[in-house]
Amino acid sequence: GAVVSQHPSWVICKSGTSVKIECRSLDFQATTMFWYRQFPKQSLMLMATSNEGSKATYEQGVEKDKFLINHASLTLSTLTVTSAHPEDSSFYICSASETGTTDTQYFGPGTRLTVL
Amino acid sequence: AQSVTQLDSHVSVSEGTPVLLRCNYSSSYSPSLFWYVQHPNKGLQLLLKYTSAATLVKGINGFEAEFKKSETSFHLTKPSAHMSDAAEYFCVVRGTGSGGGADGLTFGKGTHLIIQP
Repeated sequence: GAVVSQHPSWVICKSGTSVKIECRSLDFQATTMFWYRQFPKQSLMLMATSNEGSKATYEQGVEKDKFLINHASLTLSTLTVTSAHPEDSSFYICSASETGTTDTQYFGPGTRLTVL
Repeated sequence: AQSVTQLDSHVSVSEGTPVLLRCNYSSSYSPSLFWYVQHPNKGLQLLLKYTSAATLVKGINGFEAEFKKSETSFHLTKPSAHMSDAAEYFCVVRGTGSGGGADGLTFGKGTHLIIQP
């Protein structure tokens, strides 16, 4: 149980285009989902907290207009990287907590974004 | 603000010997602490968590960690290393303190565990 999937697993795009990444909780409902970013051989950094039916809460230094988050249902959150640039290339990982608790987060396998 | 410091970027042990991965934390309140493992090309897996219950926490695959408030430490141990334990290990505290949600996680920089045959 408690499986989180991400799609796509990797994506290559041209500079200036937008890319959407999906995060799904497959066997549980998740009121809260989280988006992290991991640079090569580095740790994960929380970007934002996504709450179903409301606006996402962004960490300091994360551009809200660049990283658009939508959490329209209890099993799906999306991250859209708008007008992507090479410096946005990274590994994006989502996690989800079961509704009623944020004690444990279950992580997706990640999405590798490469912007040319 | 919450933070964790993993004291070793790399740890190398021989198969069958004990493993010790060190972590110190800083938290403005009673912390929730976790250890996650990341194998190459795989997602993060929760090893164990401490949430103010027993200070000695047992996790999966023979790992355990002890919460020591006086030392602000949460070191991860395993009595006998196995080749399959080779991976990246992250010490994590709940909360970021950077203006966002209170439940996001703050990760340490990671410790790369190498198992020598």
